[in-house]
Amino acid sequence: DIQMTQSPSSLSASVGDRVTITCRASQTIYYFLDWYYQKPGKAPELLIYAASRLQSGVPSRFSGSGSGTDFTLTISSLQPEDFATYYCQQSYSSPWTFGQGTKVEIE
Amino acid sequence: QVQLQQWGAGRLKPSETLSLTCDVYGGSFSDYYWSWIRQPPGKGLEWIGEINHSGNTNYNPSLKSRVTISLHTSNNQFSLKLNSVTAADAAVYYCARESGHYDRPRFDYWGQGILVTVSS
Repeated sequence: DIQMTQSPSSLSASVGDRVTITCRASQTIYYFLDWYYQKPGKAPELLIYAASRLQSGVPSRFSGSGSGTDFTLTISSLQPEDFATYYCQQSYSSPWTFGQGTKVEIE
Repeated sequence: QVQLQQWGAGRLKPSETLSLTCDVYGGSFSDYYWSWIRQPPGKGLEWIGEINHSGNTNYNPSLKSRVTISLHTSNNQFSLKLNSVTAADAAVYYCARESGHYDRPRFDYWGQGILVTVSS
């Protein structure tokens, strides 16, 4: 199985901050990397797919980059509704696997 | 508007069979893959398996011996069965639609989740 490692596991930030979360795959996954965010008690929601494609309806302050093994999710200006847990997921090789999550908390 | 609505028993005893169903509303049922994903309380996400409109399945090897995913196209439903559950199977179970399976796969719609507990 391809292992996905996110960093940091958690971070504290303020509204308006620029936030970056990284995700590393244990082997190359080319561009097959998706990002989700999850609020407590809710299902995950798709933010970014194919490493850098913004899902329809997702605000443009979210962006994704990277290829191969190293990927980044950036929130350009953190909003109150963005405090949540973020997961990366590889869709290159079955079984599809997720990172352990990054919890973004209010500073 | 696509909606996935899950239902099924949420309280099980060890060795029983978990059985969940996901109703799909809106969109084309036959153009996508359909997955089950679970999340133990306070933990991360684990993909269980998927099925396409032809009934072809693909399971996580870690669960393959106990999992069956089936399709009910006439009702726009798909189901999950997990045999011989233990406490380790306690989790929130989600159904999800997978778009772009052969191009840019991603889970773009999710069910609301069902908490399954396992206790004697």
